[in-house]
Amino acid sequence: QKEVEQNSGPLSVPEGAIASLNCTYSDRGSQSFFWYRQYSGKSPELIMFIYSNGDKEDGRFTAQLNKASQYVSLLIRDSQPSDSATYLCASDSMDTGRRALTFGSGTRLQVQP
Amino acid sequence: GAGVSQSPSNKVTEKGKDVELRCDPISGHTALYWYRQSLGQGLEFLIYFQGNSAPDKSGLPSDRFSAERTGGSVSTLTIQRTQQEDSAVYLCASSSDGGNTIYFGEGSWLTVV
Repeated sequence: QKEVEQNSGPLSVPEGAIASLNCTYSDRGSQSFFWYRQYSGKSPELIMFIYSNGDKEDGRFTAQLNKASQYVSLLIRDSQPSDSATYLCASDSMDTGRRALTFGSGTRLQVQP
Repeated sequence: GAGVSQSPSNKVTEKGKDVELRCDPISGHTALYWYRQSLGQGLEFLIYFQGNSAPDKSGLPSDRFSAERTGGSVSTLTIQRTQQEDSAVYLCASSSDGGNTIYFGEGSWLTVV
């Protein structure tokens, strides 16, 4: 069973701080990794994807990938109360016929004003 | 359409009844996915369509669950003889051919009483 693991949280940070969200995956064949944000009662929305080792920055968000350690992270700089949500990590799969993403259970982030 | 459209948005049904959930993917997207999310839980993969065929239906939890897709577009997820444990949000997502970035609809909230 290929899995994606996340700490469920909640992760609480003060407004303006850096929030660091972490994720590990078990499928060494996974090539692409995704971060989705899900507000309570809403569907997941894509924030970023990454497929190369290293960092990828987009505004206040930085995704980091370390394939050797099978580790993905999302950094949110200058955290805002509006960033409070559940963040879902997902990976693709190289299983034959499987194109769906495997999701972690999500980390709940609370940004305190 | 502009986004993934799902209907009904909310459905309350009596235990033992059948329900049908509909998904209309983003125009031109050939891949379509159904996921399920129980309250406070992560996303559980159900089935993946490429065109009208389903290369991966490994996530369907029982033979009470079935899905079809016609014309390479609209998909219907059918749950027969619903049980209380079927209560969840059923999320549909789509992606373009060759792409593995998926975009979610707003979900169909199913409550079995």
